[in-house]
Amino acid sequence: NAGVTQTPKFQVLKTGQSMTLQCAQDMNHEYMSWYRQDPGMGLRLIHYSVGAGITDQGEVPNGYNVSRSTTEDFPLRLLSAAPSQTSVYFCASDEDGWGRITEAFFGQGTRLTVV
Amino acid sequence: LAKTTQPISMDSYEGQEVNITCSHNNIATNDYITWYQQFPSQGPRFIIQGYKTKVTNEVASLFIPADRKSSTLSLPRVSLSDTAVYYCLVGAGNTGKLIFGQGTTLQVKP
Repeated sequence: NAGVTQTPKFQVLKTGQSMTLQCAQDMNHEYMSWYRQDPGMGLRLIHYSVGAGITDQGEVPNGYNVSRSTTEDFPLRLLSAAPSQTSVYFCASDEDGWGRITEAFFGQGTRLTVV
Repeated sequence: LAKTTQPISMDSYEGQEVNITCSHNNIATNDYITWYQQFPSQGPRFIIQGYKTKVTNEVASLFIPADRKSSTLSLPRVSLSDTAVYYCLVGAGNTGKLIFGQGTTLQVKP
């Protein structure tokens, strides 16, 4: 059971480039979300999804797009990378959407540097 | 979602019991209290969750007073490997999102 898998683990982008961070889960969880974590800070919610075809914005959605075409995958797209998007990105999935009964599972993270 | 307040950092020594308190004055009736642990360069990991009174598992205990305006995560006999950031989260089901604060950085010394 792989859990939540993020790819790539590391990425360097030039300002203005675009890319997609991949996130896949094999637990058949309905709820998935993306967070960013800047050095010495807590996690901030970017976007989340409560099921295939349904997404919503979190605390810091600007500069990021998401889609949820399948239950398993929840890619995060950076349309035009900026140095301010240098961060570690975490994807999470949850059976219950919050963790009231179950727990949220996090991937190992993608460390992104924009130069 | 209810806002939480916890100490920014704490120090302890191996073998001691550590208690981290979280304040959540605006907790709603349906809200649960959940704690996550994060090691450097890793994603957060669920530790424990509770609604009221006391919850205990193999890793920690969670104490919640009757008014539920605060909670205390208790880590018995910590070791160096317990050095991590601990997050307190409060909320209810079916929101599809978790809101993290800055967490408490616990440093366990030999």
